[in-house]
Amino acid sequence: EIVMTQSPATLSVSPGERATLSCRASQSVSSNLAWYQQKPGQAPRLLIYGASTRATGIPARFSGSGSGTEFTLTISSLQSEDFAVYYCQQYNDWPPGTFGQGTKVEIK
Amino acid sequence: QVQLQESGPGLEKPSETLSLTCAVSGYSISSGYYWGWIRQPPGKGLEWIGSIFHRGNTYHNPSLKSRVTMSVDTSKNQFSLKLSSVTAADTAVYYCVRHVGYYDNWGQGTMVTVSS
Repeated sequence: EIVMTQSPATLSVSPGERATLSCRASQSVSSNLAWYQQKPGQAPRLLIYGASTRATGIPARFSGSGSGTEFTLTISSLQSEDFAVYYCQQYNDWPPGTFGQGTKVEIK
Repeated sequence: QVQLQESGPGLEKPSETLSLTCAVSGYSISSGYYWGWIRQPPGKGLEWIGSIFHRGNTYHNPSLKSRVTMSVDTSKNQFSLKLSSVTAADTAVYYCVRHVGYYDNWGQGTMVTVSS
């Protein structure tokens, strides 16, 4: 099973600043990598798939990059509604299509 | 717009079978995609439970040791999950999802507590 490791566990950022989240796979997943945002009490929402393609309705301040084993989600200028937990998920090896443990983006 | 809605009991006793149903609107299950279940224990991360293709092929997480049964009812445009021999470790929010590898549509989730 491919293990996904996200860093950091918690990221403290001021509104308007850039946030950079990392996700590492234990073996290559090509570009079969998705990012999700989850706010308290809500279901996760798909942000990015194919490592860099924004899902429908996702603002341009969210961007994804990487391939193979190293991936990055960048939020260019954090808005108040962006403070949440972010998960990466690989689907190159599915089932089971494993998730990372999440990165919490909190207000600094 | 695709919408998924979970339903089922919020409380199960240990050793019983958890049963959940996901009603889909805005898309016909028989048109394609995989339909699955993901759970999230309180304060923890996401775990894929299993998925079913519209034609009935099923896949489940090996960690659940065949406690999972899934079915699809195309006439009602819904799919179901049964998880047998539940314990407190199965307490979680259960989400139904549509996917093609990545999960592009999620239900709002339903909390299931396992307790005597």
